[in-house]
Amino acid sequence: DQQVKQNSPSLSVQEGRISILNCDYTNSMFDYFLWYKKYPAEGPTFLISISSIKDKNEDGRFTVFLNKSAKHLSLHIVPSQPGDSAVYFCAARSNAGNMLTFGGGTRLMVKP
Amino acid sequence: EPEVTQTPSHQVTQMGQEVILRCVPISNHLYFYWYRQILGQKVEFLVSFYNNEISEKSEIFDDQFSVERPDGSNFTLKIRSTKLEDSAMYFCASSEGDRSETQYFGPGTRLLVL
Repeated sequence: DQQVKQNSPSLSVQEGRISILNCDYTNSMFDYFLWYKKYPAEGPTFLISISSIKDKNEDGRFTVFLNKSAKHLSLHIVPSQPGDSAVYFCAARSNAGNMLTFGGGTRLMVKP
Repeated sequence: EPEVTQTPSHQVTQMGQEVILRCVPISNHLYFYWYRQILGQKVEFLVSFYNNEISEKSEIFDDQFSVERPDGSNFTLKIRSTKLEDSAMYFCASSEGDRSETQYFGPGTRLLVL
């Protein structure tokens, strides 16, 4: 099942710089997208979401951009902090139900 | 801040045994979910539950799985006869409403079937 794909398994960024995590999807029925952060041995923690009627949503250091025509979304973290080091999951929900479809995750490492 | 809790954190069982995983969703939430993550794989949806009945389920959620809300606070996932391939991290989640509502996840139960 490759409906939601995160093509970069890992990303390394210097503290203070921007982290950009990418996510692509194939299902045109997806209308709501979420980013979750996950530490080892913990559950996914909600970060930020965006509805398909918007192209940008911002919350503090986190901004999510949605390009519907390209079926692409990205999460920007500015400035990146060492505490941001975790696995980030993109998830999508279709307009036909409540189940979330997850990407494979990107491991972000922010170096001090 | 309210959070979803799950018990136990770890469970080891023999193949063929029944297991019950427990979750306490956030108190004012009405929708409940189970997901699982097999080691090295994606997080996968199992089932959603609303108003005391299953509202949606995936192909993974076959007859060996069942869910229940036995009282006003707990939400359980039962696996009747565990198989080796059921070994995974099981996450419970809840949301306040359905459309455009964020699902909040618990810390997970790591199930190991031997």
